Amino acid sequence: EIVLTQSPATLSLSPGERATLSCRASQSVGSYLAWYQQRPGQAPRLLIYDASNRATGIAARFSGSGSGTDFTLTISSLEPDDFALYFCQQRANWPTFGQGTKLAIK
Amino acid sequence: QVQLVESGGGLVKPGGSLRLSCAASGFTFSDYYMSWIRRAPGKGLEWVSYISGSSDYTTYADSVKGRFTISRDNAKNSLYLQMNSLRAEDTAVYHCARGLPNIAVAVDYWGQGTLVTVSS
Repeated sequence: EIVLTQSPATLSLSPGERATLSCRASQSVGSYLAWYQQRPGQAPRLLIYDASNRATGIAARFSGSGSGTDFTLTISSLEPDDFALYFCQQRANWPTFGQGTKLAIK
Repeated sequence: QVQLVESGGGLVKPGGSLRLSCAASGFTFSDYYMSWIRRAPGKGLEWVSYISGSSDYTTYADSVKGRFTISRDNAKNSLYLQMNSLRAEDTAVYHCARGLPNIAVAVDYWGQGTLVTVSS
């Protein structure tokens, strides 16, 4: 099983700041990595697939990068609705998820 | 708009069975892979199973293989998960989710989930 480790567990920032979230895989997943956002009480929402492709309807301030074992989700300028839980997911082998990074308001 | 609504969760004793359903609307159901994904209390997400649009391909996590069966009825726009020999560790919220076009296991829409509790 490919283990995905996300860091930090919690990231405290202010609206307007830049957020950088990390996801590291226990072995190479190529570019087969997705990022999701989950707000409290809501279903998860796909943000990025295959490392850097924005899903339909996702704002340009969300971007993904990386390949192999190290991946980054960047939110260029945080808006109030962006404070949520973010998790990564790989599909190189049986799909697995990271434990998540909570983006909190500072 | 795309909607996925799960039902069928509840309290069941260890060793018991339960059938989850997911009603889909707002898209051509038969064109998409569909998945079941669960989150146990206090734990991370776990992919349980997924199925091709025509039902010719199904696959399962090792943790449920031989106990769970995924199926779909494209005429009814519905996805199912038959869960047998349930264990305490199967307690979770179960979500159905739609795969991206041509990518089975990157999912762009999720249902809100249905809670399954396995306890005596």
